[in-house]
Amino acid sequence: ETGVTQTPRHLVMGMTNKKSLKCEQHLGHNAMYWYKQSAKKPLELMFVYSLEERVENNSVPSRFSPECPNSSHLFLHLHTLQPEDSALYLCASSQDGRSTGELFFGEGSRLTVL
Amino acid sequence: SQQGEEDPQALSIQEGENATMNCSYKTSINNLQWYRQNSGRGLVHLILIRSNEREKHSGRLRVTLDTSKKSSSLLITASRAADTASYFCATDANEETSGSRLTFGEGTQLTVNP
Repeated sequence: ETGVTQTPRHLVMGMTNKKSLKCEQHLGHNAMYWYKQSAKKPLELMFVYSLEERVENNSVPSRFSPECPNSSHLFLHLHTLQPEDSALYLCASSQDGRSTGELFFGEGSRLTVL
Repeated sequence: SQQGEEDPQALSIQEGENATMNCSYKTSINNLQWYRQNSGRGLVHLILIRSNEREKHSGRLRVTLDTSKKSSSLLITASRAADTASYFCATDANEETSGSRLTFGEGTQLTVNP
């Protein structure tokens, strides 16, 4: 138990579906992140939220839409995805908004786009 | 952009042996971190070494950092079958930003045979 919970753990969706990934952290952290992990590729940072404000958007396609309603919750809304978007999506949190801390990861949401 | 690159990509050893994994990066850093990932799970933070440190220990883990060569190594002593996992180094950019900007390498897949 890392203190970061992701749901669902597995998701299969068609290209026309709309779904959401949810992340909740119970650590009292102020920063939350979405990473994408594809086979044979390094983890890719997608979005960073610090104190509920988006501070990074790494040229992610608009079919991925993040939402951070408060410092404990982070969502990734998915719509009209492509098969190449199939990957493990990892949520993480860190204690504060500075660039020096360790990340605490959730177990990930395995997404398959048909 | 900086990126941690692990070497070797895969390592297979017998229980009780030591495992050494290396990481190289390209630009100046605040710190370097090592993470472990069991198959299909989230990443777990192992150890953080700051740019002004040369060596750090945590249990059976020993990390070294050579900023002149822009490289780090992770040594796992007296390995166990339970150490089987992927190991990633991650570098933290040397800049004042909100939220961590860890850049991960592709990882080393370690297999410890009983």
